[in-house]
Amino acid sequence: TQLLEQSPQFLSIQEGENLTVYCNSSSVFSSLQWYRQEPGEGPVLLVTVVTGGEVKKLKRLIFQFGDARKDSSLHITAAQTGDTGLYLCAGRDSGGGADGLTFGKGTHLIIQP
Amino acid sequence: DVKVTQSSRYLVKRTGEKVFLECVQDMDHENMFWYRQDPGLGLRLIYFSYDVKMKEKGDIPEGYSVSREKKERFSLILESASTNQTSMYLCASSRDRVYRWNQPQHFGDGTRLSIL
Repeated sequence: TQLLEQSPQFLSIQEGENLTVYCNSSSVFSSLQWYRQEPGEGPVLLVTVVTGGEVKKLKRLIFQFGDARKDSSLHITAAQTGDTGLYLCAGRDSGGGADGLTFGKGTHLIIQP
Repeated sequence: DVKVTQSSRYLVKRTGEKVFLECVQDMDHENMFWYRQDPGLGLRLIYFSYDVKMKEKGDIPEGYSVSREKKERFSLILESASTNQTSMYLCASSRDRVYRWNQPQHFGDGTRLSIL
């Protein structure tokens, strides 16, 4: 089983601050997806990164895929209370392996007003 | 927008009962998935299907079965419910069979199932 380790597990910061969360693995992934899940709802896709070194921006959210395609980061600038949620990374092992999408356990983010 | 609808938001059943969880998607997607989500364990894939009447085991298929008689509907069945199957169950779909693991997955809002 290929693992995606997300850190930190929990993060609580004040509105207006910046933050970065991480998604790391010892395996190479052909692509990586980031989802946000709000309480009582299913995860919603934010972005997919495919190319090593790729950077994608979604308003105040900046996603980066590591050069070796083993890790990814999500940076949020000037966090807002609406950013509160569970952030999940998910990827497909490029080594073939068992068919399936691997999810990290997520980062629980709370933005306090 | 893609809509994935799960039949129940909350469900309470008793040990030993046969439980059916239903999921319907409205965008003619080929792939459908069932996950369970537990604190500290994250999302784990139970079964998936890439075509009508086709099914593939995920990471934790034991104690579950699935049915896909129509393209838009994917059912998860707990043959004889046990307390360790208390969990949040999430259904998802994605568009094409080719490169299905690189495509966005569209999730329903989940069914919180309690087995007493």
